[in-house]
This record gives sequence, structure tokens and C-alpha cells, in this order.
Amino acid sequence: DAKTTQPTSMDCAEGRAANLPCNHSTISGNEYVYWYRQIHSQGPQYIIHGLKNNETNEMASLIITEDRKSSTLILPHATLRDTAVYYCIVRVHGVKTSYDKVIFGPGTSLSVIP
Amino acid sequence: EAGVAQSPRYKIIEKRQSVAFWCNPISGHATLYWYQQILGQGPKLLIQFQNNGVVDDSQLPKDRFSAERLKGVDSTLKIQPAKLEDSAVYLCASSSSGLAKNIQYFGAGTRLSVL
Repeated sequence: DAKTTQPTSMDCAEGRAANLPCNHSTISGNEYVYWYRQIHSQGPQYIIHGLKNNETNEMASLIITEDRKSSTLILPHATLRDTAVYYCIVRVHGVKTSYDKVIFGPGTSLSVIP
Repeated sequence: EAGVAQSPRYKIIEKRQSVAFWCNPISGHATLYWYQQILGQGPKLLIQFQNNGVVDDSQLPKDRFSAERLKGVDSTLKIQPAKLEDSAVYLCASSSSGLAKNIQYFGAGTRLSVL
């Protein structure tokens, strides 16, 4: 099962900031938070990731609470092309080896409205 | 840099038939993943390869699904025989073994319809 919970859907007006929340209350100290998004009929696309500090790149900003139990992905000026399903993922470790396993939940469907 | 290539993009078969999907990862990426994505759900990991070895196939229905990654590059996923519930998008992803090793790059997927 996914270790994160996200709202099923959200709307955002074009040009406004989109704030997508994620709850990961059982996160371990060495687990990162990753965000991906999936535009219709495409494969998921990596957006950003972080451990405990806030992160920013050309696509988005990631705000992680001090207790690391939740985070928020911020798209500063949403456009129609940002309409997609956004997945928040906590990286888990496998049983057989020390590899990293990604478990996707159902994500948040973001609709950017003109 | 070329992305992850998958083929075919679409496939329609009847139940009990067999089908195969092909994936070519990003050059130099050691890790390759196959996911199944049913409509309205997030992707579910089926199998993960590290070079040409399997590191996780715990969710692969081994009575009908098989996958191989010969020479640690291209990979094929096969279903034989297919069932109606196998209708889904099959996604391939790859990641490197460097500092950015946990960033997965996905292909566009193969949409399978089983009738």
C-alpha cells in the first residue's frame, strides 16, 4: 500500500498558485518525498524531491513540514498544461536488497480552469 | 537525450491470446521497471531489473506474466494467456545508478485491451 494520502481532486484558476498537499505521517528518517505528474495518455514525469529542506526547481517548489509528516507541492503560476494527476511518493526500501521501491497511490487530479 | 521507448503504443487482443511488449530504456540506465496501470489507478510495479538481474517481482502474476532483460539493456514483458482483467496501460521506466538514481523516467506506455 502507498504510504501517502492525497486529496482525490483539486481545481485551480489559471495563473494562480496550485498548492497540492500530501500526508506521509509514517515516513522514516531516511525516506525522501518525491512528486511525479501524469498528463493524459503519457507516462509519469518526475517533478521534484526532497528530504527535509524546502526545494525549488524550474517546475515547482516543495515545502516539507518540520516534522516531515506532510508536504505541499506548489506550482507558482498554473497553466492549462499543468492539468494532470499528481503523485506524492515516499521512497521505501525493498526486502531482498537495498534497492529503492516506488509505490504509487491514486494521486490528485488537478484541473486548471481558464 | 532520447527517452524511454516502448512499443507498440496500442494492442487489442482476445482473451487467452498472448502478447508481448518491448522497452528500450535510456542509454546507460542500469535499472528498468515494468508497471501496470489500470484506468483510474496509480501505476503498480510488476517487476524491477538491476542490469539483467531481477530485484523485485513480488507483484508479477508469474502464472501468466514473464519478463526478461537480456544483456541488461532492452526488455520484453509477455502475457500468456491474457485475461480480461489484464486490460491496462503497461509502463516501462528506467533510472540511473548515480546520485539521481531514484528519479525514474517513464515511457509513454502500451495500452492493452483484452476482449
